[in-house]
Amino acid sequence: GENVEQHPSTLSVQEGDSAVIKCTYSDSASNYFPWYKQELGKRPQLIIDIRSNVGEKKDQRIAVTLNKTAKHFSLHITETQPEDSAVYFCAAPVRDSSYKLIFGSGTRLLVRP
Amino acid sequence: ETGVTQTPRHLVMGMTNKKSLKCEQHLGHNAMYWYKQSAKKPLELMFVYSLEERVENNSVPSRFSPECPNSSHLFLHLHTLQPEDSALYLCASSPVRGRNEQFFGPGTRLTVL
Repeated sequence: GENVEQHPSTLSVQEGDSAVIKCTYSDSASNYFPWYKQELGKRPQLIIDIRSNVGEKKDQRIAVTLNKTAKHFSLHITETQPEDSAVYFCAAPVRDSSYKLIFGSGTRLLVRP
Repeated sequence: ETGVTQTPRHLVMGMTNKKSLKCEQHLGHNAMYWYKQSAKKPLELMFVYSLEERVENNSVPSRFSPECPNSSHLFLHLHTLQPEDSALYLCASSPVRGRNEQFFGPGTRLTVL
């Protein structure tokens, strides 16, 4: 069945450094890749997403890159700040579904002041 | 944020109790989801309803019983739960067509004694 693998499970960076989280997916037909951020005690919220017709998308300090050949996509956070500390989840569509998602196992990011 | 609401926010119940979790969305979506979030399996899809019809039941024990009376409301009925069912239960909604973004509720923190 479909699978989304996410690495690393935990990531600690110094404030101002960059953070990169990577996900791989198994279904080559997948065409939508969102990233969710879940702060402690709060709900997951979409922070950025990318469709398979582009290779990169940026939104201020956040960017997502997609490599369809290798079937992986990555979240890049530059100039990290303490408020970036959270758990980040990647996701990919379930095969033959226009709306269901399968989530990665999450990455706990800690930004040290 | 009031797009997706869940009640109660916290619930403590004994193994012989019967309780229900409620989810309501005000976004005009027609797909709704129940997820279980625990330390061991961060985001585990339990049930999916599309246009008020259950389309997925991911091998969830029968002590969890979902109900979707209309496209805005989703319930999760609980009975004779086990301590290992203690977790955060998240409701989400999304459109069936178009963008796949799922909007999450704040969750119900369930503790089974």
